[in-house]
Amino acid sequence: DQQVKQNSPSLSVQEGRISILNCDYTNSMFDYFLWYKKYPAEGPTFLISISSIKDKNEDGRFTVFLNKSAKHLSLHIVPSQPGDSAVYFCAASKAGNNRKLIWGLGTSLAVNP
Amino acid sequence: ETGVTQTPRHLVMGMTNKKSLKCEQHLGHNAMYWYKQSAKKPLELMFVYNFKEQTENNSVPSRFSPECPNSSHLFLHLHTLQPEDSALYLCASSQPGTGGNYEQYFGPGTRLTVT
Repeated sequence: DQQVKQNSPSLSVQEGRISILNCDYTNSMFDYFLWYKKYPAEGPTFLISISSIKDKNEDGRFTVFLNKSAKHLSLHIVPSQPGDSAVYFCAASKAGNNRKLIWGLGTSLAVNP
Repeated sequence: ETGVTQTPRHLVMGMTNKKSLKCEQHLGHNAMYWYKQSAKKPLELMFVYNFKEQTENNSVPSRFSPECPNSSHLFLHLHTLQPEDSALYLCASSQPGTGGNYEQYFGPGTRLTVT
């Protein structure tokens, strides 16, 4: 039973436009959420995170929005650049239990010039 | 450069071989992790070490044997693997409990093929 779901396996966006990647979770005990980016033949790279006490966190072109009532978060990339083309993973964790990260399957983003 | 290195980057081994994967982190973190990434599956946590002590074994078969001699080094010893163990093995580290930041930092991974 997957607790973190990224329902879109892939997304294609034009350079300069907004990319929106979505993530849903089922466990209401999750209180910390992270986005990672992964290029082929590399490990995942931490991108941005958000605590459940917030509903928005922004870092440059990247903004994460959290809707706790809907158990939904999204990553917005504005403006999208070709170098953003990668697989994006959503992960969630809860207090205790070694603070394990529970991962989604990832969304492959292609930003076209 | 993420501060976490893994060797080798690629490994092909037969089912009767014994090999080891190595991970080293240069970030001063106290926790280290082994993950397995297979096609079309989420990242699977295998082992967690905190301050050199194993705090989690996620029902991993005994043909995978971790070793953590100190907080900077982590090994995964492999023996009598099966073809279905072919995957990307990722090492990560983190500094738990520091102001609510729970990010893990990953190495580039070892692409393992079992023949």
